[in-house]
Amino acid sequence: DTAVSQTPKYLVTQMGNDKSIKCEQNLGHDTMYWYKQDSKKFLKIMFSYNNKELIINETVPNRFSPKSPDKAHLNLHINSLELGDSAVYFCASSQDMSSTDTQYFGPGTRLTVL
Amino acid sequence: DQQVKQNSPSLSVQEGRISILNCDYTNSMFDYFLWYKKYPAEGPTFLISISSIKDKNEDGRFTVFLNKSAKHLSLHIVPSQPGDSAVYFCAASGRGSARQLTFGSGTQLTVLP
Repeated sequence: DTAVSQTPKYLVTQMGNDKSIKCEQNLGHDTMYWYKQDSKKFLKIMFSYNNKELIINETVPNRFSPKSPDKAHLNLHINSLELGDSAVYFCASSQDMSSTDTQYFGPGTRLTVL
Repeated sequence: DQQVKQNSPSLSVQEGRISILNCDYTNSMFDYFLWYKKYPAEGPTFLISISSIKDKNEDGRFTVFLNKSAKHLSLHIVPSQPGDSAVYFCAASGRGSARQLTFGSGTQLTVLP
C-alpha cells in the first residue's frame, strides 16, 4: 500500500488553464506539505497543513491554493497556469510538527505548462 | 540565496569503495540535518539524520558527520553498492515552531559495478 500517493503523476496543460493535484496519505499523520522542485532541482516548501490548518505559506503566488478536506488529504489547486509553473510537485506528510519527525514523500507530479 | 548547498552535482564511485557526499549550510539557526535519497520517478525517502548536539550518527553502511564550526556535513556510505545509485539530498531545519525543511540541490551518486 502506498503511504503517500499523488494524482496525476503527469500533467500537461496549456497556459491559462486551471488544474488540481491530489494528495492522500494513509499513515495517520497530522501534518502534510507541498513542495516544488524547480529546474535547478531544489525542493522548496510551498505550504504545510497541520490538522487541516495552514501553518506554512511560503512566498507562493495567490494562484496556488491548497485545500485540506480532512487530515488525510491535501490538494493543490492552481489557477491561470503560467510557463514558470512547470516543475515537479511533491506532497509529503509527517506525524506532527515536531522538529525530528520524518517527512514521507509522494512520488511527485510532473506538471508541464505549454 | 541558497542556505543549503551541495556543490557536487554528481559523484561516481566503484562498488565496494567509500562514497562521500558533502553539504554546506549558511544558516546558524539550523539544528537538525537530514539526508534523503531519491530514485527516478519516486519521491525522496528519508535515509539518516543528525541533531546539532551530535557530531556523528551511524546507521549500518551510512554515517553522517556534522562539523558545526565549518557548517558542513557529510554522508559516508561504505561499502558502496550499485543499489545506492540515486540522487542524495541534504536538508536542514531550524529552531522555531514550524517544521520547515530547506533542501540542497542534490548529488547524483553512481556506483559502478
